[in-house]
Amino acid sequence: GAVVSQHPSWVICKSGTSVKIECRSLDFQATTMFWYRQFPKQSLMLMATSNEGSKATYEQGVEKDKFLINHASLTLSTLTVTSAHPEDSSFYICSANSGTYNEQFFGPGTRLTVL
Amino acid sequence: AQSVAQPEDQVNVAEGNPLTVKCTYSVSGNPYLFWYVQYPNRGLQFLLKYITGDNLVKGSYGFEAEFNKSQTSFHLKKPSALVSDSALYFCAVRAPYGQNFVFGPGTRLSVLP
Repeated sequence: GAVVSQHPSWVICKSGTSVKIECRSLDFQATTMFWYRQFPKQSLMLMATSNEGSKATYEQGVEKDKFLINHASLTLSTLTVTSAHPEDSSFYICSANSGTYNEQFFGPGTRLTVL
Repeated sequence: AQSVAQPEDQVNVAEGNPLTVKCTYSVSGNPYLFWYVQYPNRGLQFLLKYITGDNLVKGSYGFEAEFNKSQTSFHLKKPSALVSDSALYFCAVRAPYGQNFVFGPGTRLSVLP
C-alpha cells in the first residue's frame, strides 16, 4: 500500500515556540492530505483538509492562525503549530488519499509535548 | 451527516477465542467502510475496507468484517485471537462522493494469554 511518513516522530518544545511537522507521501502523489489530532484514549479529530496549491480547509473550532498548513507540492504538507502552549500537546497524525476509492493512508504520527 | 458508533470501549478475549469488535454507521447513500488498527504511539494501519460486492470482506492479519446493510453494521471479526492483536481499533465511514472520513471513538481490544 501507499506509504506516508511524518517528521519528526516526536518533539519537545518550550511554550511560545513554533513547531513544524512534515507529512510526505513517499510513493504516490497526494492532492489532498488531512491533519488529525488525537488526545490520549480518544479518537482522531480532523483538524483540516490540505489541498495542494490552495488554502487548507479548517474544521470548526480549529484556529487557522494557530495551526498553519502548507501543501506546496503533491508529496508534502506541513503543519506548523505557532506559539505552542502546553494544551497543544497531543499526537498529530496526517493522512493522504490514494487509490480508486480515496482510501486514506496514515502517517506514523508525531507526538508533540509543550513544556 | 455521517456518524460511526463503536458501542464497546473495551473488548477482552482469551487468546485462541474468536473476537468481534462492533461498528454501526450512519451515512447518506451507499457507505464506504473501513477498519484501522492503532498500536501505541503509532499511526493508523489499514486493515480492510468495504466498497461494494461481497458483504464479507477479508483483510490483513486474518481479520474480516461483514457488511450488513439492514442493520447498518460493519463488525470486525477474527476466528482466533492473538495476544499481538491487542490494540486500538477504529471503524470509519466515508460517503461515496466525499473525501472526509468519520471515525468511530475506537475500541480497545485486549487479548489475554
